[in-house]
Amino acid sequence: SQQGEEDPQALSIQEGENATMNCSYKTSINNLQWYRQNSGRGLVHLILIRSNEREKHSGRLRVTLDTSKKSSSLLITASRAADTASYFCATDDTGGFKTIFGAGTRLFVKA
Amino acid sequence: EAQVTQNPRYLITVTGKKLTVTCSQNMNHEYMSWYRQDPGLGLRQIYYSMNVEVTDKGDVPEGYKVSRKEKRNFPLILESPSPNQTSLYFCASSLTASGKYEQYFGPGTRLTVT
Repeated sequence: SQQGEEDPQALSIQEGENATMNCSYKTSINNLQWYRQNSGRGLVHLILIRSNEREKHSGRLRVTLDTSKKSSSLLITASRAADTASYFCATDDTGGFKTIFGAGTRLFVKA
Repeated sequence: EAQVTQNPRYLITVTGKKLTVTCSQNMNHEYMSWYRQDPGLGLRQIYYSMNVEVTDKGDVPEGYKVSRKEKRNFPLILESPSPNQTSLYFCASSLTASGKYEQYFGPGTRLTVT
C-alpha cells in the first residue's frame, strides 16, 4: 500500500525559480523523510522531519509538516539545473519498521 | 568509505532460473531493506531486517526470499523468477529500524526476466 503520494507528478521550472512539492500520507507517522534520485540511481537522503516538528531547513531546502492534514511540502529555493531529479517522500509506520515511499515528483530545472 | 554495495548491477535471466542479488554494507547498521522500483509506482518495500536473523515482509514480498546471517549482508533471492519481477532493485541500510535515521541506498540492480 502506498502511504506517501507526491504532487505534482512532474514539475518544470526555470533556473532561479522556487520549486514546491507536496506529499500526503494516510496514517499516523513518527517521521517523514525526503529523498532525491538522479535518473535511475540510488536515492540520497535530503532531510528528516519528526512528527512533533512543523518546519525544518537545510541549505536551500525547507520542509514543512502538517500532521493534522497528513501532509508535507518540500521547497527548493533558487533552483539550479543540477536539482533536476526525482524527489520522494518516505514515511515510517508507527512501529518504525516499514518504510513507505510515494511515487515521486519529477523536477526538471531548465538552464 | 561508508557505502552499500549490490551485485550484480545488471542481470538478464530467464523465467524459473534461481538467482541471488547480494547486498553488503560497511556501516555496522542494524536495519537493512530491499525495495523494487517500477515506473509510476515509486519504491515498494519487499523485505526488511531489523537485525541478524530477524526479517519481516514488506508490502510486496511474494516471489522473494531473504536471509540475514551476518550483520553486513542481506541477499535477495528469487527462487523462480517471473517476467513481472523485471524491475530496478535497491538495497538500503540504516542505523536502526526506528525510522529516525536516514537510509543509505545501494546503486541499484536492474533485473530483466524474459
